[in-house]
Amino acid sequence: AQSVTQPDIHITVSEGASLELRCNYSYGATPYLFWYVQSPGQGLQLLLKYFSGDTLVQGIKGFEAEFKRSQSSFNLRKPSVHWSDAAEYFCAVGHTQGGSEKLVFGKGTKLTVNP
Amino acid sequence: DAGVIQSPRHEVTEMGQEVTLRCKPISGHNSLFWYRQTMMRGLELLIYFNNNVPIDDSGMPEDRFSAKMPNASFSTLKIQPSEPRDSAVYFCASSSRERGGGANVLTFGAGSRLTVL
Repeated sequence: AQSVTQPDIHITVSEGASLELRCNYSYGATPYLFWYVQSPGQGLQLLLKYFSGDTLVQGIKGFEAEFKRSQSSFNLRKPSVHWSDAAEYFCAVGHTQGGSEKLVFGKGTKLTVNP
Repeated sequence: DAGVIQSPRHEVTEMGQEVTLRCKPISGHNSLFWYRQTMMRGLELLIYFNNNVPIDDSGMPEDRFSAKMPNASFSTLKIQPSEPRDSAVYFCASSSRERGGGANVLTFGAGSRLTVL
């Protein structure tokens, strides 16, 4: 079965520091991969997605992610974190099953940004 | 574009009562999803509609849960009777397939926080 693992439940970084959030997936074919961000009390907002092509994808708010098939990973990065980036981040894999399409989400990584 | 609109934002009810959550998807989106979010289980897909037709309801926890989509602009998720373990945030999301194929890109509503006492 398809699954997504986000090994880090909680990460704390200082403002201005670089950030990398890890995501590993399990899927038999070429996956569709997503990163979403959730601010407290809000819904999920799409940061970026990978369908095919260039394995380094750029998203909103200065985020990028790199698809590495050999490592089954899709890690999210940002070179310099801002206090407003504090939120929970979810990696997801999309797949088609029985004619329907589903997004399977990881459990999320909560990001705290220290001033 | 107002985005995906969910109501109510917060609901507190007593065990055994009926709960109805509502969702208005983005105009023109032909797929609609209901997710449930809890601390223990994370985000779980409950049911998925395509062109108003339920495609996959394998995530619906039990018969107490039902969902309908009578038209392209409205969906409901009903719990009857409600139980304390149903306490969660319920998200509705809608999507349309991007040009050139690929998976659906979901736009989420702000969620409905349900507390069952």
